[in-house]
Amino acid sequence: NAGVTQTPKFQVLKTGQSMTLQCAQDMNHNSMYWYRQDPGMGLRLIYYSASEGTTDKGEVPNGYNVSRLNKREFSLRLESAAPSQTSVYFCASSEKDRVIQYFGAGTRLSVL
Amino acid sequence: GENVEQHPSTLSVQEGDSAVIKCTYSDSASNYFPWYKQELGKGPQLIIDIRSNVGEKKDQRIAVTLNKTAKHFSLHITETQPEDSAVYFCAAITDSWGKFQFGAGTQVVVTP
Repeated sequence: NAGVTQTPKFQVLKTGQSMTLQCAQDMNHNSMYWYRQDPGMGLRLIYYSASEGTTDKGEVPNGYNVSRLNKREFSLRLESAAPSQTSVYFCASSEKDRVIQYFGAGTRLSVL
Repeated sequence: GENVEQHPSTLSVQEGDSAVIKCTYSDSASNYFPWYKQELGKGPQLIIDIRSNVGEKKDQRIAVTLNKTAKHFSLHITETQPEDSAVYFCAAITDSWGKFQFGAGTQVVVTP
């Protein structure tokens, strides 16, 4: 039972490049989330998916898109990376109507 | 929306002493308050949580207290050990299914 798996673990991009961060969970959870973590700012919600087939914006959605590919997978896409998107990105999941969130190990992204 | 403030931002304690982290929230409708521990290079992990109908909860060396009137809640770690060194995040939730507002985090350092 791997829990929440994120790939890649590290990535360096040049400004303007695009990439997709992958997230998969094997706990049969309905809800999935993408956060970014910046020093002194805690975790901020980018997008979330309450259930398969639905996605909604969080606190800081600009510059990102998401896809809930199926119940297991929730991807985050940066279409044109900017230095301000340098951060650590975490994916999380939770059961429907349950509040306990389980986090992946994170993706450390640098945009030069 | 909900706003969560967390203090202190850093906390250095001697091994064996107690550590206390405090959080305040703004939305009186918040009804669930989890605490997450994040070790270096890893994702946050839930360590303890409390719901609004409970004033205190304890799990071995950690405890959480909630004062709904004052809108603040605290994490208490007793008999601290070096493995308690980590970043701790508080969070508050108002939605029924899981959209959190996190505090900025507290870096706890336990010195032998």
